Amino acid sequence: GQQLNQSPQSMFIQEGEDVSMNCTSSSIFNTWLWYKQDPGEGPVLLIALYKAGELTSNGRLTAQFGITRKDSFLNISASIPSDVGIYFCAGTKGSQGNLIFGKGTKLSVKP
Amino acid sequence: DGGITQSPKYLFRKEGQNVTLSCEQNLNHDAMYWYRQDPGQGLRLIYYSQIVNDFQKGDIAEGYSVSREKKESFPLTVTSAQKNPTAFYLCASSMWSRVNSPLHFGNGTRLTVT
Repeated sequence: GQQLNQSPQSMFIQEGEDVSMNCTSSSIFNTWLWYKQDPGEGPVLLIALYKAGELTSNGRLTAQFGITRKDSFLNISASIPSDVGIYFCAGTKGSQGNLIFGKGTKLSVKP
Repeated sequence: DGGITQSPKYLFRKEGQNVTLSCEQNLNHDAMYWYRQDPGQGLRLIYYSQIVNDFQKGDIAEGYSVSREKKESFPLTVTSAQKNPTAFYLCASSMWSRVNSPLHFGNGTRLTVT
């Protein structure tokens, strides 16, 4: 069953605002990944995190691997209309474990 | 350009018919995966394959079958035994040999069964 809790489920924000979303689990993860999915398309990898405490940026996106290894967050600064989509967190628990996905955060941006 | 190609983009079938979804990759990735996505749900793993001629069941394999005769190809058959086949199907690949290698996804096939 689903082992990642992703929140919020959806967000409606004004263009220019910052966004924050997170994933938590009761289990320890070795990898955290953040994906974005546009409508009718496949998810695209945004950021990959491999070490506890790691903080990584990709343009206006910043993600962190929680120090407890049980959570991760994604921040988007100064949102723009093309940020609209569904953001998924995903993680692996073992060295060759399959990815486990959160249920996604649907982001809507008002111009 | 390297990538993953899924075809067709949209597929319509009558209930009781088997249907096969195509997935081809030219990334030279060892591992390939099939996920199912339903509205408001995360991605659920159907089957995965680490090497040619070998594949493993994921979390929701019932009613599905796969084959891996070539490294580049991992077709998924949705059989008539799948009780609720209408969904968005995503194929992905990764370099299995690299630990925790991220997945790269195709653009999906939307299957509608009536």
